[in-house]
Amino acid sequence: GQQLNQSPQSMFIQEGEDVSMNCTSSSIFNTWLWYKQDPGEGPVLLIALYKAGELTSNGRLTAQFGITRKDSFLNISASIPSDVGIYFCAGRFSSGYSTLTFGKGTMLLVSP
Amino acid sequence: SAVISQKPSRDICQRGTSLTIQCQVDSQVTMMFWYRQQPGQSLTLIATANQGSEATYESGFVIDKFPISRPNLTFSTLTVSNMSPEDSSIYLCSVEDGSSYNEQFFGPGTRLTVL
Repeated sequence: GQQLNQSPQSMFIQEGEDVSMNCTSSSIFNTWLWYKQDPGEGPVLLIALYKAGELTSNGRLTAQFGITRKDSFLNISASIPSDVGIYFCAGRFSSGYSTLTFGKGTMLLVSP
Repeated sequence: SAVISQKPSRDICQRGTSLTIQCQVDSQVTMMFWYRQQPGQSLTLIATANQGSEATYESGFVIDKFPISRPNLTFSTLTVSNMSPEDSSIYLCSVEDGSSYNEQFFGPGTRLTVL
């Protein structure tokens, strides 16, 4: 089956710092999605990427679709305490209809 | 994006019993999915709920254990049958809004504990 490697597994940072996390795949994806999950909640879609090389921002969040179509990264600038949560990448394959494959998640903790 | 609600939000059940989880969407959607998230883990797709036909199950999941209904384009149920403690998880309903980009949105989840 498809594999998504997400790193780092967890991060503990100071408020105001920038954060970067990434996902890599053994196969080509045609869509990358980044989600955030707060405790006791369902994942919330942050950013969606559809083209190789695409760079998309959503406020302090920036994500890129890798040129090889096998990786993506998410950056968070000037982190704040409410950024705490688990961030998941998810990818969809290129051939016809396919379901999402999720990474294992990156737990982000922000110290005030 | 579609607004998704799930019932119940959480439950504690006894071994051997069954629980049916409901997912309601505020608009008609093409695709509905059910995921399982075991404690501290990522999301695993259980099945795609097909409107008017049998659900499509992923490897490792079977209809007898996780029967699914989807009577219309806004509603689906997932039943966790003959539960054991290993079924303790968060169960999440997800939908695609039918746009060309096929973005997937999640409900708030149902936290199930089996004793």
